[in-house]
Amino acid sequence: GNSVTQMEGPVTLSEEAFLTINCTYTATGYPSLFWYVQYPGEGLQLLLKATKADDKGSNKGFEATYRKETTSFHLEKGSVQVSDSAVYFCALSNAGKSTFGDGTTLTVKP
Amino acid sequence: DAGVIQSPRHEVTEMGQEVTLRCKPISGHDYLFWYRQTMMRGLELLIYFNNNVPIDDSGMPEDRFSAKMPNASFSTLKIQPSEPRDSAVYFCASSPPRDRYEQYFGPGTRLTVT
Repeated sequence: GNSVTQMEGPVTLSEEAFLTINCTYTATGYPSLFWYVQYPGEGLQLLLKATKADDKGSNKGFEATYRKETTSFHLEKGSVQVSDSAVYFCALSNAGKSTFGDGTTLTVKP
Repeated sequence: DAGVIQSPRHEVTEMGQEVTLRCKPISGHDYLFWYRQTMMRGLELLIYFNNNVPIDDSGMPEDRFSAKMPNASFSTLKIQPSEPRDSAVYFCASSPPRDRYEQYFGPGTRLTVT
């Protein structure tokens, strides 16, 4: 079956630090991969996606590259801001279903 | 364009009572998903619909849970009777025909069963 494993949190960084949140997956076929972000009291918002191997998704300074050889989709940002504090979910979709990781809580301190 | 709308945002009820959660998907979206989020189990897919037809309800925990989608703009998730272990945040999400995997989530309903 499908599964997503995320780096455990919480992650605490200082403003302008470099961010990496690791995500690896197990899936049959060729899934699409996603990162969602959830701010306190809100629903998940799609942050970026990649639909095939070697694709790079990017949005708001965040990036992730679909690596089929390592079955990974790590989220990166070069310089985080306090406003990036949230829970980040890695997810995959195929065969009509989405599977989400457990989420990684990021706190950015001024 | 309005996003996914859920009501109520908060619901507190006593064990044994019936609870109905409501969702209005984004206009033009033909997939609708119901999720449950808890600290212990994370985000779980309960059921999803395509063109108002239930496609996969394997995530529905038990017969106390039921979901309907009578038309393209409305869906309900009902719990009868409710139990304290049903306390969670319930999310509705929809996705467009061009990309059924790109889901747009509502703000959620926080359910507390005492």
